Amino acid sequence: QKEVEQDPGPLSVPEGAIVSLNCTYSNSAFQYFMWYRQYSRKGPELLMYTYSSGNKEDGRFTAQVDKSSKYISLFIRDSQPSDSATYLCAMSEGNAGNMLTFGGGTRLMVKP
Amino acid sequence: EAGVAQSPRYKIIEKRQSVAFWCNPISGHATLYWYQQILGQGPKLLIQFQNNGVVDDSQLPKDRFSAERLKGVDSTLKIQPAKLEDSAVYLCASSHSGSFGNEQFFGPGTRLTVL
Repeated sequence: QKEVEQDPGPLSVPEGAIVSLNCTYSNSAFQYFMWYRQYSRKGPELLMYTYSSGNKEDGRFTAQVDKSSKYISLFIRDSQPSDSATYLCAMSEGNAGNMLTFGGGTRLMVKP
Repeated sequence: EAGVAQSPRYKIIEKRQSVAFWCNPISGHATLYWYQQILGQGPKLLIQFQNNGVVDDSQLPKDRFSAERLKGVDSTLKIQPAKLEDSAVYLCASSHSGSFGNEQFFGPGTRLTVL
């Protein structure tokens, strides 16, 4: 079993839809949770991060963490074609070294 | 602010050949990371440097992979000899420090194809 599981998709939605992306994890020591966006042939770029449980909102993006269920989500409101990319969740225990464990990524396609 | 630079962007080699990748991190970033991203998977950390010292290389296949960061700035990752399963994108990232929560900035990667 992988430490971080993520549905690979692809997920295809019409423009303007609400998108829900999810990850589950097995390591209860993870405390720091991130979402990265990766466009084709580019490196990942940090979208959002949350520490421990709770919600965080930034514009059209909302990140949720439920540590009791070992489940994190990223919601995208009013999705745009420019949101088409692979979304990677990443997690860190936070004990030392800032090491990240990534999920496999979900490919999102937003159609005009 | 200039981002993380990597070269070459693409490399095609035959198995058993050797190859080297170069990374120049963001100026002032003490921590440098090399990741391997196989098609359809998330990045996997190979090695982390703090200045010119190794913090973690537990997932680096040391029989064929080596990395160095001699002056605490640029870094090179080498594979010798390459295997078919080494085909992947090799990503370099840097962060201001290796402390918990420091954002990692990624370069565009080097796409390696081993034939």
